[in-house]
Amino acid sequence: GAVVSQHPSRVICKSGTSVKIECRSLDFQATTMFWYRQFPKQSLMLMATSNEGSKATYEQGVEKDKFLINHASLTLSTLTVTSAHPEDSSFYICSALRADPSSTDTQYFGPGTRLTVL
Amino acid sequence: GNSVTQMEGPVTLSEEAFLTINCTYTATGYPSLFWYVQYPGEGLQLLLKATKADDKGSNKGFEATYRKETTSFHLEKGSVQVSDSAVYFCALRGNQAGTALIFGKGTTLSVSS
Repeated sequence: GAVVSQHPSRVICKSGTSVKIECRSLDFQATTMFWYRQFPKQSLMLMATSNEGSKATYEQGVEKDKFLINHASLTLSTLTVTSAHPEDSSFYICSALRADPSSTDTQYFGPGTRLTVL
Repeated sequence: GNSVTQMEGPVTLSEEAFLTINCTYTATGYPSLFWYVQYPGEGLQLLLKATKADDKGSNKGFEATYRKETTSFHLEKGSVQVSDSAVYFCALRGNQAGTALIFGKGTTLSVSS
């Protein structure tokens, strides 16, 4: 099956610093990737939709200047949490949508990144 | 807007017991419905899906039927195994291609031998 990786899997940073999370589709091209955030015992909440070569579309209530998304190629999207604060601590999950017609529009998920801001 | 509601967990069962995890949805039009599973330490994996009313998705002994009249997509398995212990997410995707999934809160299943 299709594989999506995330790096790092876990990161601890100080308040005020920026953290970059990478999402890669390893064996397929993805014109569209999604970034989700998951709080403990909560659902995955969609943060933004990332399209290769264009600006990301953010969900209501998500600060685009705080969560910078760059989808520079068909296999890589990055999420940068700028000036991180403790309330940004969460589990961030990306997913990638296969670009080829035979994929029947299936999302493949990365394993997630645990961010802890001290 | 579209939303998904699934039963609260955790669900604790003995091996070979029957499993039902309820899922209902609210959506305009005709969404596609999914069940994803997340094993400990791993990413979400698609378990099964159904794209139109009365479709039944099935995989690894799990089944779910798309019931438009009750707006439900309940997950069932006749005989669970310890290896089925995981978190199960019900999700929907609206009509438009390329849109993101909307998830329920997830239900933790714990199966003991």
